[in-house]
Amino acid sequence: GEDVEQSLFLSVREGDSSVINCTYTDSSSTYLYWYKQEPGAGLQLLTYIFSNMDMKQDQRLTVLLNKKDKHLSLRIADTQTGDSAIYFCAESLMNRDDKIIFGKGTRLHILP
Amino acid sequence: EAGVTQFPSHSVIEKGQTVTLRCDPISGHDNLYWYRRVMGKEIKFLLHFVKESKQDESGMPNNRFLAERTGGTYSTLKVQPAELEDSGVYFCASSHARTGLPSTDTQYFGPGTRLTVL
Repeated sequence: GEDVEQSLFLSVREGDSSVINCTYTDSSSTYLYWYKQEPGAGLQLLTYIFSNMDMKQDQRLTVLLNKKDKHLSLRIADTQTGDSAIYFCAESLMNRDDKIIFGKGTRLHILP
Repeated sequence: EAGVTQFPSHSVIEKGQTVTLRCDPISGHDNLYWYRRVMGKEIKFLLHFVKESKQDESGMPNNRFLAERTGGTYSTLKVQPAELEDSGVYFCASSHARTGLPSTDTQYFGPGTRLTVL
């Protein structure tokens, strides 16, 4: 079935690295995404990775994909107060990339 | 360029009433999607329009929900009659092309409409 799981909360000190983890069940995922939702705002696509890649880095963001374990992670280096948001892991499936399947979201809280 | 807009931002209605949500996609985007997030749960796909045609409505919960996109521009999602379990945040997204690449298919999301059914 189609299922994306992620922990609901994460607290990190400002300046530390944040690692948000996600697992998914469908092996036919084509793309995996990380979306960010700030309070009162819509979902913003942060980054995505194609399912045949292991890693993608974009400035402070590093995405790691372990396809064998169906595990995706998002690492945010040097976490800032502006990173406080809900982060959604999501996937699209082969031949169904018109539909994105989301996890419940991880609320990232930044400690001073 | 204006992003995806949704109206209203928040709606509070009583059970049994009717509510209509509106989404204005980014100009020129043929694809329009509706998603819903019920409190504490994942964001779930509802349906997908390509221009004015319903491409996929497999996520629509039941026949109390009616989505339209007359003329292929803005879309409305009507809930009639609303039930308590319809409460949640309704997101709209739009995308330009259908090439199978997120770089061009990226779905841009609106801020959502928070629906509260009492």
